[in-house]
Amino acid sequence: DTEVTQTPKHLVMGMTNKKSLKCEQHMGHRAMYWYKQKAKKPPELMFVYSYEKLSINESVPSRFSPECPNSSLLNLHLHALQPEDSALYLCASSQPGGGAGEQFFGPGTRLTVL
Amino acid sequence: GNSVTQMEGPVTLSEEAFLTINCTYTATGYPSLFWYVQYPGEGLQLLLKATKADDKGSNKGFEATYRKETTSFHLEKGSVQVSDSAVYFCALSPFNTGGFKTIFGAGTRLFVKA
Repeated sequence: DTEVTQTPKHLVMGMTNKKSLKCEQHMGHRAMYWYKQKAKKPPELMFVYSYEKLSINESVPSRFSPECPNSSLLNLHLHALQPEDSALYLCASSQPGGGAGEQFFGPGTRLTVL
Repeated sequence: GNSVTQMEGPVTLSEEAFLTINCTYTATGYPSLFWYVQYPGEGLQLLLKATKADDKGSNKGFEATYRKETTSFHLEKGSVQVSDSAVYFCALSPFNTGGFKTIFGAGTRLFVKA
């Protein structure tokens, strides 16, 4: 299985809502990532988990809270978001220190904050 | 620091035309180099990669050669199809970072007309 899955595909939420994005991979990868992608821009790294521990937080506001329950799952908890947080949120996975550093991406969750 | 510069788009070609998308990079040591493709409404897919000087990555008729002397990794395809319409990202993974921090170029949008 060489697929990274993400749910939901689309999400609309108000600024006072709490929601979660989910990501799953079954490639045995031990690094997982959250990226934010605005229209016509490259992905921006938000968080990296390596062996289920948070390795990188790119100074992301605390209204975004990542969680890695096990080696296959990655969540992104959202609370009190702003309209400027509307974007495509991409999950990715890779094998730490293995291969060339290539990452495998999911299809993304299109988030709209009203 | 590490950076990737790729030609601005959009690039518009007729079917069966030759494609070149230029990419140059700045990095210390020997980074791994990648081309990722993003089709409309989807996440990024790894198109090809190269890990050392003079390596040629190839996939689906696309090719790119790792040129250390010119710090370039230009993407080429001999005959494009309408289905190749997408955004193409050149990227690098810096040496000795475990592959966690991928540096993306700005992306080049390709339109192929029938």
